[in-house]
Amino acid sequence: NAGVMQNPRHLVRRRGQEARLRCSPMKGHSHVYWYRQLPEEGLKFMVYLQKENIIDESGMPKERFSAEFPKEGPSILRIQQVVRGDSAAYFCASSPEYRSYGYTFGSGTRLTVV
Amino acid sequence: KQEVTQIPAALSVPEGENLVLNCSFTDSAIYNLQWFRQDPGKGLTSLLLIQSSQREQTSGRLNASLDKSSGRSTLYIAASQPGDSATYLCAASNNAGNMLTFGGGTRLMVKP
Repeated sequence: NAGVMQNPRHLVRRRGQEARLRCSPMKGHSHVYWYRQLPEEGLKFMVYLQKENIIDESGMPKERFSAEFPKEGPSILRIQQVVRGDSAAYFCASSPEYRSYGYTFGSGTRLTVV
Repeated sequence: KQEVTQIPAALSVPEGENLVLNCSFTDSAIYNLQWFRQDPGKGLTSLLLIQSSQREQTSGRLNASLDKSSGRSTLYIAASQPGDSATYLCAASNNAGNMLTFGGGTRLMVKP
């Protein structure tokens, strides 16, 4: 079991470019969550998805950010027209159908906007 | 809105000491509480998960307790080792179990 796989581990983008972050949940996990850790700040919830559905996106910035979890393939967090303030570590977590097992986190993608 | 606070923010102890990390939360309607470890530049490693109906969980030298009524959890580390040096995060799950609210973490340094 490879765990939660995130790629790339590091991503550098120039201001105005698009960033695509990918997350493959653990085998058997159908729930995916994205969290952001800004420099010197705590982890903040962004979005919760199940296959082909966004369940809760209350933590997602209204502009430029979107997420999807298609029927096939990894979950994608997409940031359009990146700005310096988007520089952060983005973590994906997954959980099985039964919530009582808690969350397993990936190693994160560190986005740097130059 | 749930708020999670961890005290102290940083802690430095000599090797071998027993220590307690504190976590408090404002909304007692939680599904569970999870303690994580984060090494610099790395992801989160789950240490212990306590369901809302449980009082404590143990794994090796780690023991976590939960008091929902007072909104507190503690992580006890016995016989600390330099390899325990990391940031420890507690996270409270909302009642639906689909969102974690994290504390700011405690940065632990164990000196040889």
